[in-house]
Amino acid sequence: GQNIDQPTEMTATEGAIVQINCTYQTSGFNGLFWYQQHAGEAPTFLSYNVLDGLEEKGRFSSFLSRSKGYSYLLLKELQMKDSASYLCACPPPGNNRKLIWGLGTSLAVNP
Amino acid sequence: GAGVSQSPSNKVTEKGKDVELRCDPISGHTALYWYRQSLGQGLEFLIYFQGNSAPDKSGLPSDRFSAERTGGSVSTLTIQRTQQEDSAVYLCASSQGGTGGETQYFGPGTRLLVL
Repeated sequence: GQNIDQPTEMTATEGAIVQINCTYQTSGFNGLFWYQQHAGEAPTFLSYNVLDGLEEKGRFSSFLSRSKGYSYLLLKELQMKDSASYLCACPPPGNNRKLIWGLGTSLAVNP
Repeated sequence: GAGVSQSPSNKVTEKGKDVELRCDPISGHTALYWYRQSLGQGLEFLIYFQGNSAPDKSGLPSDRFSAERTGGSVSTLTIQRTQQEDSAVYLCASSQGGTGGETQYFGPGTRLLVL
């Protein structure tokens, strides 16, 4: 089967750096997605990792270790608008379009 | 082009009534997904369409739920004899439909409230 775990809630301060972790257990691996979802809005795509290592996109970076079944999303220079839920998702083996979603990490950025 | 659109944005209905929710995917996207999200909960997969293939209906919670996709584009999710537990945000997403991991683009959702 497939299982995705991420912390339920996190709090950070404006201007700081925060790391949101995601662990997954799967019999195969087809990549890992990160999405951002603001309250009352639809999820929006942040990143997709299929190879090990860190991928940077401006203030947001995503890291993957396939051997450890582990990913993290790194948010730098936090802004109030980064307060949102961050969802981790993986396609299961054999059907790489139907994503399995984590429950999301609710990040609160305080002034 | 335009993103994924959904209508209506909000729907209030009485228990026992039928509702239809509509999704217009991004032009050219062959894959279309329906999800349900209850307040404070994660995304619950409902159904997936890919081109002309038979849809994956494995996430539909009961036989009161059905979906169609006409002409490989617009999709309609129908909930018959609605129950209060059907109240949720119904999200539609589309992707290009190629191989490998694919980015899904979401519509704004339909907020359904069953009284």
